[in-house]
Amino acid sequence: GAVVSQHPSRVICKSGTSVKIECRSLDFQATTMFWYRQFPKKSLMLMATSNEGSKATYEQGVEKDKFLINHASLTLSTLTVTSAHPEDSSFYICSARWEDDEQFFGPGTRLTVL
Amino acid sequence: AQKITQTQPGMFVQEKEAVTLDCTYDTSDPSYGLFWYKQPSSGEMIFLIYQGSYDQQNATEGRYSLNFQKARKSANLVISASQLGDSAMYFCAMRPPNTPLVFGKGTRLSVIA
Repeated sequence: GAVVSQHPSRVICKSGTSVKIECRSLDFQATTMFWYRQFPKKSLMLMATSNEGSKATYEQGVEKDKFLINHASLTLSTLTVTSAHPEDSSFYICSARWEDDEQFFGPGTRLTVL
Repeated sequence: AQKITQTQPGMFVQEKEAVTLDCTYDTSDPSYGLFWYKQPSSGEMIFLIYQGSYDQQNATEGRYSLNFQKARKSANLVISASQLGDSAMYFCAMRPPNTPLVFGKGTRLSVIA
């Protein structure tokens, strides 16, 4: 299958700082990228959908000013957690697809906010 | 809206035995895809098997098979000859065309030697 990378794989930051997570499709162009959040022992919850070159569509209850998503190219999307707090600690997983093809997942980023 | 239900929070199976993980879904779309993913403790999502809503036959991939009963809206995963390495979280997911994958709550499978 196609490869999606995420960077960093793990990040620890202080409360109040901002953290940027990158998601790249390495061997295909992704017209759409998705960001999911997963709490321990819970399921993946969709946060937002981003299409290349346009604003992201956020799911209900997800603060768009808190979780800034940029999808500037067909191979890169970024999620920035602004003014992070301990409750933002979670596992963030991105997913990418070309048009309506199969969704491929990144390996995830574990964020810990102290 | 789409909904996926996995009613088994945890399952135990003896090594080399078969196990069925339940999944039911709800959607008003006539066309949709059903997926199963495995998530080990490392966190990566590993695609296992796919079933299209119009597929006549149940999908199979090696030791994985999907028991698709469209009228009952169920898509159970059957793992045959369980191995210790099968211990993980298993998620059922679905999506109609041009929508993102929606996941169930997951089932934690533990394979016992």
